Order: sequence, then structure tokens, then C-alpha cells
Amino acid sequence: QQPVQSPQAVILREGEDAVINCSSSKALYSVHWYRQKHGEAPVFLMILLKGGEQKGHEKISASFNEKKQQSSLYLTASQLSYSGTYFCGTEGLSDRKLIWGLGTSLAVNP
Amino acid sequence: ETGVTQTPRHLVMGMTNKKSLKCEQHLGHNAMYWYKQSAKKPLELMFVYNFKEQTENNSVPSRFSPECPNSSHLFLHLHTLQPEDSALYLCASSQDFQGARNEQYFGPGTRLTVT
Repeated sequence: QQPVQSPQAVILREGEDAVINCSSSKALYSVHWYRQKHGEAPVFLMILLKGGEQKGHEKISASFNEKKQQSSLYLTASQLSYSGTYFCGTEGLSDRKLIWGLGTSLAVNP
Repeated sequence: ETGVTQTPRHLVMGMTNKKSLKCEQHLGHNAMYWYKQSAKKPLELMFVYNFKEQTENNSVPSRFSPECPNSSHLFLHLHTLQPEDSALYLCASSQDFQGARNEQYFGPGTRLTVT
């Protein structure tokens, strides 16, 4: 079953923060985050493995709560370049299959 | 060329045609993937190849036939497609097909229209 992402869409002004959530109904081994700009290929952001780790790269970071089977992507002080659709992919603990969410559309305006 | 390349970028074909999509990765990866991306649907994994061996076929209709002659090349052969097969077809590659080294690099995709 596919993970559920929320919100479906968000509009920000440059400099504002956003949180995108990804929830699964099954036990997870890993969570993957990608960003896809319109007309372009998805681009890898980060992978989080079970163990409750948190990762970050500059102003984009993420957490993974394996007990709740949830991950959150944090975008701080958003930039225009952050606009796009953010996808989470979840890898099940038992079947190790990567299944993707529907995506969250993020628009950052000046 | 670097990364993952796909050809053609756009393809229009009739329901009785036969065509092929090509993907090439220049990253030295061991795993390659075909995805279908349609509007308002999640990325749909079609096929996975690991070290040239097919490891997954997610109930894809037989009108889609993959071929992986080596770790760098992946083809998707198409025949007698249906209009609902119109979509963006993405190829991706990764070092491994599970776990921490499953960071996937995507090609730009082929926009397929079936008339």
C-alpha cells in the first residue's frame, strides 16, 4: 500500500518554512525523498534508514520515526529553487519493495 | 554523456505499432529500473534489473517487454499499446536495488502518447 503524503500542496513565500509528512501503514526499512521540478526527472534528496535517524543537507532535513512509520521533510528558509513536487518512497521491512507516495506540490513565491 | 540518458524524449505511436525505449547509465551502477509516471498517480515501478537479471515484474502487461543486455543499457519494447499507456516513462539506476545504496538517479524520461 502506498505511503500517504501530507499536505498535498503548499504555497510559501520565500524565506518561510515547510514540513512535508509521509506515513505508511506497514513497518519500514527505509524512507526515500526526491524532488521533481516540472518537466524534469526526479532528483534524489536523501535516504533515511530504520533507527530513527535524522539527516540534513543545508536547509533541507528529514526525520524518520520507525515506530510511527512516519517521516517528515523539513524545508527551512525556503528558496525559489525549492519549488517542485516532493515524493517520498517507502521500503517495507519485510518485502523490501520501494513504493511511492502521490507527492506534495510545493510552490515558493517571491 | 553523464548520468542517465533516455531516447527518444517524445514518442507518438499508434496502437498497432512496435517501438522501443532506450536507457543508458554512465554511473557504473548495478541496478536499473523502468517506471511509469501518470498524472495524479504515484510513480509506478514496472521492472527492476540487478546485475542484468530481472528481479521484479510488477504485474506489467505483456505488451511491455524489457531487455537488459548489460548493466549499462536497458530497453523497453512496446507493442499493441492502449491509449491508457500514454504516460512519462522514466528510467533510473542505483548502486544496489535495496537499502542504503538505493539512491536512484533518474533519466529525463520519454513522453509516450498512444493514439
